[in-house]
Amino acid sequence: QKEVEQDPGPLSVPEGAIVSLNCTYSNSAFQYFMWYRQYSRKGPELLMYTYSSGNKEDGRFTAQVDKSSKYISLFIRDSQPSDSATYLCATSGGYQKVTFGTGTKLQVIP
Amino acid sequence: GAVVSQHPSRVICKSGTSVKIECRSLDFQATTMFWYRQFPKQSLMLMATSNEGSKATYEQGVEKDKFLINHASLTLSTLTVTSAHPEDSSFYICSARIGDQPQHFGDGTRLSIL
Repeated sequence: QKEVEQDPGPLSVPEGAIVSLNCTYSNSAFQYFMWYRQYSRKGPELLMYTYSSGNKEDGRFTAQVDKSSKYISLFIRDSQPSDSATYLCATSGGYQKVTFGTGTKLQVIP
Repeated sequence: GAVVSQHPSRVICKSGTSVKIECRSLDFQATTMFWYRQFPKQSLMLMATSNEGSKATYEQGVEKDKFLINHASLTLSTLTVTSAHPEDSSFYICSARIGDQPQHFGDGTRLSIL
């Protein structure tokens, strides 16, 4: 079993839709949770960063962590074509190395 | 803030050539830098972790004599692919972080060995 599982997609949605991206993880020691966005032929860009359980909102993006079920989510409201990219979830125990999901490819259709 | 610059962005060279890739943290001093390799439609594969002034820690299966990492300062790490062959062709990405904060990534280097 991989430490972090993520559906690779692709996920296609119409412009304006609410997007839900999800990951599950297996290591209960993970305390830090990140979402990165990666455009084609570019490096990942940090979108959201949360510590422990709970929600965090930044503009159209909301990150959610449920440590009891080892489930992390990223919601994108009012999705735009510019949101089309691969989204990577990532977790770590702090100073330890980061474990990445395989990424979900999102396409927002105008 | 937290900008990581990676250079060059694209390299095409002949088999047997050694290639050096630079990774710089532009507006912060990174305690740790990481080197990843990414194959098409796959996630990031960690190659090595490097702390300033000390030897890099390589992941299992990564040849340290093949992929030389130097981390001479808190803002610069280099990856040298020695005697590169076509199977070394890939997308190489560096990242940097301060303490236990999230990593920030460079824009990657696309390496093609002919």
